[in-house]
Amino acid sequence: GESVGLHLPTLSVQEGDNSIINCAYSNSASDYFIWYKQESGKGPQFIIDIRSNMDKRQGQRVTVLLNKTVKHLSLQIAATQPGDSAVYFCAEIANTDKLIFGTGTRLQVFP
Amino acid sequence: DTGVSQDPRHKITKRGQNVTFRCDPISEHNRLYWYRQTLGQGPEFLTYFQNEAQLEKSRLLSDRFSAERPKGSFSTLEIQRTEQGDSAMYLCASSQGGPQHFGDGTRLSIL
Repeated sequence: GESVGLHLPTLSVQEGDNSIINCAYSNSASDYFIWYKQESGKGPQFIIDIRSNMDKRQGQRVTVLLNKTVKHLSLQIAATQPGDSAVYFCAEIANTDKLIFGTGTRLQVFP
Repeated sequence: DTGVSQDPRHKITKRGQNVTFRCDPISEHNRLYWYRQTLGQGPEFLTYFQNEAQLEKSRLLSDRFSAERPKGSFSTLEIQRTEQGDSAMYLCASSQGGPQHFGDGTRLSIL
C-alpha cells in the first residue's frame, strides 16, 4: 500500500547549523503534507504544512520544500537549537482525511 | 490550555480487562481522530468522526475496539478483552479541516 518513508533514521547536527530532514512519499494522489515534531512522552506537534499546488512554504526558522516530480518532501530548520531535538515525522493526506505517517527521523543537536 | 486533552495519561491493566480512554478536542473543531503509536513508529490511523458521525474505520480497529462521539464534542475509545498487542500510545487529534492537532496521548500497558 501507499506509505510515507524517511531516508535517515537519525540526524546529528551542531547547534547553530542548519538541519535538513528528508521524506519520500509513494502516493502521487497525495495533495496535503504536514511535518510534525514529537518530543519524548508527548503527542506530535504541528510544525508546518504544504499543499500540492505549492513547492515551498516558509515559517519561523522552518521551510518545507515539495518536489512532486520525485515525490520528495524536506524540512529545513535554520540555526538549529537544542530545543529542536526531537523525532520529526512527515505525513500525507490523499483522498480521505486520515494522515499516513512514516517512521520518523530523530534529530540530535550537539552544543 | 485550549489544546486537545486526553485522559488518562497512563493506564496499566491486566490482559482481558476492558479499558476506556477519553479525548476532549479543541472546542471549535468538528473533526476528531484516533491513532495508535508503538515505539519507534509513526502514528497509525484508527478512526475519525465529523461531528457525531463516525466516517471511517481502519482495518486495525478490530471488533474489540469501539469509539463514540455522542454529542459531537468529546470522544471515547474502548478496548474490550485487552491483549498484549494492544500495548501502545493512543493519540487523539482534532481539526477544523486544516492541520490535525494532537493531544499527548494515553499510554496503555498490558500486564
